[in-house]
Amino acid sequence: DIQMTQSPASLSASLEEIVTITCQASQDIGNWLAWYQQKPGKSPQLLIYGATSLADGVPSRFSGSRSGTQYSLKISRLQVEDIGIYYCLQAYSAPWTFGGGTKLELK
Amino acid sequence: QVQLKESGPGLMQPSETLSLTCTVSGFSLTSNGVGWVRQPLGKGLVWMGTIWAGGSTNYNSAVQSRLSISRDTSKSQVFLKMNSLQPEDTGTYYCARHGSWGLFDYWGQGVMVTVSS
Repeated sequence: DIQMTQSPASLSASLEEIVTITCQASQDIGNWLAWYQQKPGKSPQLLIYGATSLADGVPSRFSGSRSGTQYSLKISRLQVEDIGIYYCLQAYSAPWTFGGGTKLELK
Repeated sequence: QVQLKESGPGLMQPSETLSLTCTVSGFSLTSNGVGWVRQPLGKGLVWMGTIWAGGSTNYNSAVQSRLSISRDTSKSQVFLKMNSLQPEDTGTYYCARHGSWGLFDYWGQGVMVTVSS
């Protein structure tokens, strides 16, 4: 199975700050990676697909990048509505596996 | 407008069989796969299995021996059945559509299942 190691597990940041979350894949998954945001009591919402493409309706302050088997989600200017838990997902091969999640809080 | 909605019992007893239904609209089950994802309370997301547009299935090996996913395309419904429930099966169960890149692009609201005697 492909392991997705996500870091950090939790993150406290100030409004307008730049935030970066990473996922390390245990093997090559190409661009078969997505990022999701989950708010309390809600289902996950797609932010990024294909490692770097912004999903419809997602603010442009979110961006995804890839360097080898390391993937990053960047929030360029943190807003209040960005608070939640973020997950990466590899969709390269079954079993589909998620990162452990990053809980993003306001400082 | 793509929508998915899970339904099923909220409370189950250990050793019972869980049956959940995912009713979809806005797309055809013969065009997109639908997967089930479980989230234990306060924990992360775990893919359980998928039924693809052609009708084939993939299961997570951790639950494969207990899990069955099927569908009724005429009713736009996908079914999850999992037997021999244990307390550790407690959590929120989501159904989600597989979009491009094989990932989940639309999710249902989730249904909370508690396994307790």
